[in-house]
Amino acid sequence: NAGVTQTPKFQVLKTGQSMTLQCAQDMNHEYMSWYRQDPGMGLRLIHYSVGAGITDQGEVPNGYNVSRSTTEDFPLRLLSAAPSQTSVYFCASSYNRHTEAFFGQGTRLTVV
Amino acid sequence: SQELEQSPQSLIVQEGKNLTINCTSSKTLYGLYWYKQKYGEGLIFLMMLQKGGEEKSHEKITAKLDEKKQQSSLHITASQPSHAGIYLCGADWSGNTGKLIFGQGTTLQVKP
Repeated sequence: NAGVTQTPKFQVLKTGQSMTLQCAQDMNHEYMSWYRQDPGMGLRLIHYSVGAGITDQGEVPNGYNVSRSTTEDFPLRLLSAAPSQTSVYFCASSYNRHTEAFFGQGTRLTVV
Repeated sequence: SQELEQSPQSLIVQEGKNLTINCTSSKTLYGLYWYKQKYGEGLIFLMMLQKGGEEKSHEKITAKLDEKKQQSSLHITASQPSHAGIYLCGADWSGNTGKLIFGQGTTLQVKP
């Protein structure tokens, strides 16, 4: 049982480049979320999903897109990377709204 | 403004000492979650509290949710170096989306 898998673990982008951060879970969880973590800011919610085909914005959605075509996958897209998007990104999933969230190991992104 | 405030932001304690971390919400909580994070790693779930007055313990860590469901505390008894890390509280205010908002975190160092 792999849990929540994020790829890549590290990435360096140039300003203006695009990329997709991958997140996959094998626990048949309905709820999935993306967070970014910056020093002194804790975790901030970017986007979340309560099931395939359903997504919604979190606290800091600007500059990021998501889609949820399957229960297992929840990719996060950066269309035009900016230095302000340099951060550690975490994906999480939970079975339902009453259960704890499981987190991936994170993707450390640097935009230069 | 931060809707979920943690205090203190950082803490250094001598091994064997007790400590408390607080998490205060600006509104009534549907659920309160405590996580621990070691540097460079993902989050590990500690405990979930949902009922006013609820208290849960695991090994030397005890978490409580007050009767009004707006404040939680995490207490560590006889701290050990293995307790070092970042402690984050996460709040579910909606009760129907699984959307978690986190505090800014408390960094704990335990000196041997």
